[in-house]
Amino acid sequence: QVQLVESGGGVVQPGRSLRLSCAASGFTFSSLGFHWVRQAPGKGLEWVALIWYDGSNTYYTNSVKGRFTISRDSSKNTLYLQMNSLRAEDTAVYYCARDVGTFGSSSGSRFDYWGQGTLVTVSS
Amino acid sequence: QSVLTQPPSVSGAPGQRVTISCTGSSSNIGAGYHVHWYLLLPGTAPKLLIYDNNNRPSGVPDRFSGSKSGTSASLAITGLQAEDEADYYCQSYDSSPSAVVFGGGTKLTVL
Repeated sequence: QVQLVESGGGVVQPGRSLRLSCAASGFTFSSLGFHWVRQAPGKGLEWVALIWYDGSNTYYTNSVKGRFTISRDSSKNTLYLQMNSLRAEDTAVYYCARDVGTFGSSSGSRFDYWGQGTLVTVSS
Repeated sequence: QSVLTQPPSVSGAPGQRVTISCTGSSSNIGAGYHVHWYLLLPGTAPKLLIYDNNNRPSGVPDRFSGSKSGTSASLAITGLQAEDEADYYCQSYDSSPSAVVFGGGTKLTVL
């Protein structure tokens, strides 16, 4: 069965870095794009980043551009989010999500499987 | 605030019908981009409820339905059940800038 399992969350000081991982299983990882979506405490879902199925293109929400990097390793069936220069406002549960749509098309991206999330807390 | 606007909360009694609206603009829903809906329960992974405006994934009861018109979309839930109490989010694509966008979420309370 399809599984997405995030890891790497924790408490980190402002300005420091953290790398999240999302281990995928139960399907052909290299055939689909993936996203990171976050939910800050008491807030709604916020899209963070996208990487295409082959890693050739990436997209980011404006607030993380230049600080976060999404990547993937198909040999390990794993998605990553490198987060640098972390800020208090990055505190959130981070979910990885599988995209079975097409970003930018009329149907757009849609997420049929999500991980359980990993909590990132940025605090001094 | 969110690019897509949802009411913060809706409520209904068991067995009743409720709708949740999702209002966008000419760069997202109004541009023809499809709307998808998700259910979120605390401590669980979000679940896809409706895709491409009005399609249900396998396993989603037909009590859930979606529609879209102009710059808005709606999720309808009929025959409300206690287990429907959750947060619901709409999602689409916005061309300016190129981004996935979500609504702010709607908390459904079953009275």
